[in-house]
Amino acid sequence: KQEVTQIPAALSVPEGENLVLNCSFTDSAIYNLQWFRQDPGKGLTSLLLIQSSQREQTSGRLNASLDKSSGRSTLYIAASQPGDSATYLCAVGSGGFKTIFGAGTRLFVKA
Amino acid sequence: EAQVTQNPRYLITVTGKKLTVTCSQNMNHEYMSWYRQDPGLGLRQIYYSMNVEVTDKGDVPEGYKVSRKEKRNFPLILESPSPNQTSLYFCASSLSVEGANQPQHFGDGTRLSIL
Repeated sequence: KQEVTQIPAALSVPEGENLVLNCSFTDSAIYNLQWFRQDPGKGLTSLLLIQSSQREQTSGRLNASLDKSSGRSTLYIAASQPGDSATYLCAVGSGGFKTIFGAGTRLFVKA
Repeated sequence: EAQVTQNPRYLITVTGKKLTVTCSQNMNHEYMSWYRQDPGLGLRQIYYSMNVEVTDKGDVPEGYKVSRKEKRNFPLILESPSPNQTSLYFCASSLSVEGANQPQHFGDGTRLSIL
């Protein structure tokens, strides 16, 4: 059964710092991996989607990488800002068109 | 505006009283899905649908029903709600699963409390 783990569970950094969020999965047979952002009391906003054949995707200050063989993905956020404070979730598209989520990393960027 | 709309946004009800949470998308998406989000457990998939009349179970389907009679709508039905179904529910859709390169778009959520 596919399991997705996100480390750390929470992170507090000063404004301007570059940071990395980690996501690991147990079964490498995935067809995509997606990173989301969730603000308190809100729905999920898609940030980046990486297909299984890709190694990375970039959007603005965000870069996501995927290493299927090791079961890992990272989300890199450059020059963090207070507006980046949110919970970041990764989700893998796995067998039978299911989607499995990690528990998330709660990020707080201090001004 | 492209969106996924859930109704109601908030609902307090009692054990055993049947309820339906509606989900509608205006993007002509084939794939739709329901999730529940609980503290410490993250989001877990309840049911998903690859197209009209095609549905399948996610990881936590017990106590829930779904139907997909039209492409745009994917209601979640709780025939006999129980307190352990108190949760935050999200509906999502994406253009196609087979393409595997389409992001999922989420609704704003439905907070359901069952007393």
